[in-house]
Amino acid sequence: EAGVAQSPRYKIIEKRQSVAFWCNPISGHATLYWYQQILGQGPKLLIQFQNNGVVDDSQLPKDRFSAERLKGVDSTLKIQPAKLEDSAVYLCASSLGVSLGYNEQFFGPGTRLTVL
Amino acid sequence: DAKTTQPTSMDCAEGRAANLPCNHSTISGNEYVYWYRQIHSQGPQYIIHGLKNNETNEMASLIITEDRKSSTLILPHATLRDTAVYYCIVRVRYGTASKLTFGTGTRLQVTL
Repeated sequence: EAGVAQSPRYKIIEKRQSVAFWCNPISGHATLYWYQQILGQGPKLLIQFQNNGVVDDSQLPKDRFSAERLKGVDSTLKIQPAKLEDSAVYLCASSLGVSLGYNEQFFGPGTRLTVL
Repeated sequence: DAKTTQPTSMDCAEGRAANLPCNHSTISGNEYVYWYRQIHSQGPQYIIHGLKNNETNEMASLIITEDRKSSTLILPHATLRDTAVYYCIVRVRYGTASKLTFGTGTRLQVTL
């Protein structure tokens, strides 16, 4: 089965520029997650979608970050404008959905963003 | 959210069992313990999860204490490919959603 796809794999931009990341989850997975992983830390959840609705975006810096999941499949995460502290790996994950006792998330390879 | 405490790093000889401990003393009765690992430059990978009973799959075994305040992930025969950061996570449910909150994990180094 195909895994979670992300692009690009690497991106280098200057501060105050904009950037967008794309994620294609595993077919049939209703839940999609975006995480930010700063070097040396564990992944931090930014936003969670259930189909095309937002379930949790409490840790998304909404003044500069936005995300959408049109038609409940692919998703894009945008940063506008970028700051130096946004340098991180952005991970996308998907899961079948929420069912009692089970929530295995499948992660993509991530996009490594460097802001200069 | 229930917090987890893990050692920062551990070493294990190849072929030996790797036992990775985790404390989660504030876990609630219906919260699951999940383990993921992250090999360098890859996304995290699911290993195993459990609620009360011990669990085993093709990758590992999970031993949860009777009071559920701690657990141990066991890799029965560690190989060099098991070198990774291992995350112990208490899954939090809220409404119809759930969330995994990653800590900094245990860096396991498997050596020859």
